Amino acid sequence: ETGVTQTPRHLVMGMTNKKSLKCEQHLGHNAMYWYKQSAKKPLELMFVYNFKEQTENNSVPSRFSPECPNSSHLFLHLHTLQPEDSALYLCASSQAVQTSGGYEQFFGPGTRLTVL
Amino acid sequence: AQTVTQSQPEMSVQEAETVTLSCTYDTSENNYYLFWYKQPPSRQMILVIRQEAYKQQNATENRFSVNFQKAAKSFSLKISDSQLGDTAMYFCAFTNNAGNMLTFGGGTRLMVKP
Repeated sequence: ETGVTQTPRHLVMGMTNKKSLKCEQHLGHNAMYWYKQSAKKPLELMFVYNFKEQTENNSVPSRFSPECPNSSHLFLHLHTLQPEDSALYLCASSQAVQTSGGYEQFFGPGTRLTVL
Repeated sequence: AQTVTQSQPEMSVQEAETVTLSCTYDTSENNYYLFWYKQPPSRQMILVIRQEAYKQQNATENRFSVNFQKAAKSFSLKISDSQLGDTAMYFCAFTNNAGNMLTFGGGTRLMVKP
């Protein structure tokens, strides 16, 4: 596998289900991100991890719970979701910010989530 | 907070012609980075071009170039000799110098017609 991979690619879940999205990067990066892409809103940054530590939580509801066990893996645990949470969830990775930022982010193909 | 605005939801261009996509942003920062990302239909988002705000020279990558007007807070993308494979959503994005949080515009859907 190369680049950034995400599984599953498609997920349908009920509002009472618990599921997890997985992201893996094979680029040797130390920063990973979750984004939400809805049909009628700009891409929204959800969470940022630098060196496995969460450095940003962009006011995301607690029904979304991220986990970063190491620099190569990122999970998004989902529970008690709402229909409006249906969207494409994108994972990305980059070099971590140290003295300056502006690094290119590499994106995965996304997980298309439908909440019934 | 920074904002990024793309005022053209959809555009079309004939193959081999030139098209310009607009982007404006709002920030109080002096040092920052601007990006254009491309998201082809059902494919992964990839970086097209990157501009550092402290560099006055406009970035170019083969057929892609930008017109960066710092005072006007404008960052347009020019695609020359458009190809069918350029059909995609194009997103303008901003990040400040110290961080890695990207703020995206709403996107422009570009259709290249044969």
